[in-house]
Amino acid sequence: DAGVIQSPRHEVTEMGQEVTLRCKPISGHNSLFWYRQTMMRGLELLIYFNNNVPIDDSGMPEDRFSAKMPNASFSTLKIQPSEPRDSAVYFCAIGGASGANVLTFGAGSRLTVL
Amino acid sequence: DQQVKQNSPSLSVQEGRISILNCDYTNSMFDYFLWYKKYPAEGPTFLISISSIKDKNEDGRFTVFLNKSAKHLSLHIVPSQPGDSAVYFCAASEWYTGNQFYFGTGTSLTVIP
Repeated sequence: DAGVIQSPRHEVTEMGQEVTLRCKPISGHNSLFWYRQTMMRGLELLIYFNNNVPIDDSGMPEDRFSAKMPNASFSTLKIQPSEPRDSAVYFCAIGGASGANVLTFGAGSRLTVL
Repeated sequence: DQQVKQNSPSLSVQEGRISILNCDYTNSMFDYFLWYKKYPAEGPTFLISISSIKDKNEDGRFTVFLNKSAKHLSLHIVPSQPGDSAVYFCAASEWYTGNQFYFGTGTSLTVIP
């Protein structure tokens, strides 16, 4: 996962607080994805960007979630206000980095909302 | 609405035996499939893929089989090793959409020494 750096690795916050998760991908990719992992639903696609443009955000659960990609080397996923049911591991992934049709994932950000 | 399903949440296998992980999908437009392996506190890592023009793809101890008519694929690990203990995710996509993959819920494999 050296190709995708996510921060923070762990976040514990209280209900109602704003949470910002960050992703720094390596260069050479053309698409970026945010996934959420839960026991019940596995890896859910939240949103993906192609050449920094949001293409499909239909997986974003509610208006409380927003994502930005201001440039090719940085993306954020924001939850405001956060709720306990948002507790999950959030993964950032990139596609096209090696030219193959394969996603490269970061190590994830584990979010706990109390 | 899960388009990719892994109905076995967990599987235990003795070291040296075969591990078989199963995956079903509902979208007949899917034509490219991958398996990912995930260790605790790490991101999923790519393991093996198969396109719909094939029914089998092999890479060392790992073989993926695709049955398009049944919309089913499986991952075989032979022989299983304790280091194979991880969560395995199946993923599917339509090739033309690029990297828009749909993942299953995962199967946790435990290989017993």
